[in-house]
Amino acid sequence: QVTLKESGPGMLQPSQTLSLTCTFSGTSLSTSNMGLSWLRQPSGKGLEWLASIWNNDNYYNPSLRSRLTISKETSKNQVLLKFTSMEPADTATYYCARNWDYYWYFDFWGPGTMVTVSS
Amino acid sequence: IQMTQSPSLLSASVGDRVTLSCKAGQNINNYLAWYQQKLGEAPKLLIYNANSLQTGIPSRFSGSGSGTDYTLTISSLQPEDVATYFCQQYNSWTTFGGGTKLELK
Repeated sequence: QVTLKESGPGMLQPSQTLSLTCTFSGTSLSTSNMGLSWLRQPSGKGLEWLASIWNNDNYYNPSLRSRLTISKETSKNQVLLKFTSMEPADTATYYCARNWDYYWYFDFWGPGTMVTVSS
Repeated sequence: IQMTQSPSLLSASVGDRVTLSCKAGQNINNYLAWYQQKLGEAPKLLIYNANSLQTGIPSRFSGSGSGTDYTLTISSLQPEDVATYFCQQYNSWTTFGGGTKLELK
């Protein structure tokens, strides 16, 4: 059974860096046909893909690339995301999700973690 | 690639056949997925590659389409289908539609 769970600070101030952790089980980043991704969703709005990691390759949303860093800790079954220069417009629920079989759809999702950016 | 869903709000009765539309800004070669998101929950994958039903999803859900135009059909609407539905293209990077909110009439 594949499970994912996000963890984060809940709230941070403008200009700070957001650090998020996705801890997963029932799947392995050592599998070549699997990726893990981060997405976000402002309250009441649509979904936006942020970044993905497949084996040793990282992929970023071109419009946010300069602010994002995705990495993995394989031994801990974790994928990390750092998001710099956070602003109130970045307030959203942040999700991690699995990509499977070399496709970019998301077959398993974590419950999400809410991040509020406010002074 | 811009994804446009219609309608943004749909009201239907239990037992109705419901059709949701998703239009891509360019040909996405059937690299399209549909998700269901209930209030306060994460999205759930329903359909991938335009017409493949994800494991565990009821057969009343089906996907069709090609090129730029895709459809999610619920053959007989159930109360538990009340949710917002999103389409996603993954032909070029990945982007989502704005969603269709499905409510009971």
